[in-house]
Amino acid sequence: EDQVTQSPEALRLQEGESSSLNCSYTVSGLRGLFWYRQDPGKGPEFLFTLYSAGEEKEKERLKATLTKKESFLHITAPKPEDSATYLCAVQATGAGSYQLTFGKGTKLSVIP
Amino acid sequence: DAGVIQSPRHEVTEMGQEVTLRCKPISGHNSLFWYRQTMMRGLELLIYFNNNVPIDDSGMPEDRFSAKMPNASFSTLKIQPSEPRDSAVYFCASSLRDGIEKLFFGSGTQLSVL
Repeated sequence: EDQVTQSPEALRLQEGESSSLNCSYTVSGLRGLFWYRQDPGKGPEFLFTLYSAGEEKEKERLKATLTKKESFLHITAPKPEDSATYLCAVQATGAGSYQLTFGKGTKLSVIP
Repeated sequence: DAGVIQSPRHEVTEMGQEVTLRCKPISGHNSLFWYRQTMMRGLELLIYFNNNVPIDDSGMPEDRFSAKMPNASFSTLKIQPSEPRDSAVYFCASSLRDGIEKLFFGSGTQLSVL
């Protein structure tokens, strides 16, 4: 069974204080690892897809990296508008590959 | 494009009543998903449609839940009869191709069953 564990559950940062969010996963064969951002009262919004170990993707202050067992979402010099819940999800190869298995998320709060 | 549109945004009902949630996917997307989100279990896939055909409904909790997609621009999720444990946020999502590559979520329906 595919599993995704995100840590920490919640993270408070001062504005400008860089940090990383962790996503550990267990999957029989990885087709893709996804990062989403979810604001209160809204649906998840797509950020990145990573496909193979060693791959990195960047968007503004966010950088996602992938190893064979985990992914990190690095946040550089965060701003209050980066406050949100960040969700990680894995997509397995083979039958049922349309399924995303989500972690429970990390709630990030950036304090001015 | 307006994105994935869900209605209603909030629904409060009493135990035993029928609840119908509605979704309009992004035009041109051929895959549609219904998810449920709770604090305890996170996001869970309920059902997946491809080209309006239900492909996988193994996530539907029980027979009280049913979903339809009569055409490419409309889907419903029905709960009959509703129970307090059904209280959650229900999301509809669509994607451009078979499988998922990139999911676009609606804003969800917050369901409270009293």
